[in-house]
Amino acid sequence: GEDVEQSLFLSVREGDSSVINCTYTDSSSTYLYWYKQEPGAGLQLLTYIFSNMDMKQDQRLTVLLNKKDKHLSLRIADTQTGDSAIYFCAEIRGGGADGLTFGKGTHLIIQP
Amino acid sequence: GAVVSQHPSRVICKSGTSVKIECRSLDFQATTMFWYRQFPKQSLMLMATSNEGSKATYEQGVEKDKFLINHASLTLSTLTVTSAHPEDSSFYICSASRSSYEQYFGPGTRLTVT
Repeated sequence: GEDVEQSLFLSVREGDSSVINCTYTDSSSTYLYWYKQEPGAGLQLLTYIFSNMDMKQDQRLTVLLNKKDKHLSLRIADTQTGDSAIYFCAEIRGGGADGLTFGKGTHLIIQP
Repeated sequence: GAVVSQHPSRVICKSGTSVKIECRSLDFQATTMFWYRQFPKQSLMLMATSNEGSKATYEQGVEKDKFLINHASLTLSTLTVTSAHPEDSSFYICSASRSSYEQYFGPGTRLTVT
């Protein structure tokens, strides 16, 4: 199976919370990331979490990590139309010398 | 801070020609840069790791003679696609490592080979 898995689409209503889920297979992952990609653009680093943490909050974003189940989630509170994008979960196993392993990305669709 | 640029943003070239893509970290020094490739509606796949002053490390299945990487300084890495063919058409994205856990991505380069 894939190293990092995400569902491909998530549809939410504007103003609701969005929860994007990700599972990974490698227990040696040291850092896990969420990136945002808008159409035709590069990747914007949203947030990251170290593997010994359970939760990280940054304004509207909350990251939850369940290391036992190898499950990572990103919650976006009060979802806005500007949040419409593809969200990639990624992991790194070592330090700065390693590239990232990405999931296929979750396309977040905002309904008015 | 942590801005990474790429040039060009789009390039169209004829089959058989070579194309160079530049990746620059504008406000920090990056001893390590990475090159990724993204096919339409697909994820990013790591192609190679570029270290300043040394040879690049390529991922399995990536031809090093076709995708030449040079990391001449702490702020610049280049990817040259040699003898490009239509199947090389893709979105190429670089990233630069500012610390052991932070990677910042460039805006990407759309390569179309006709």
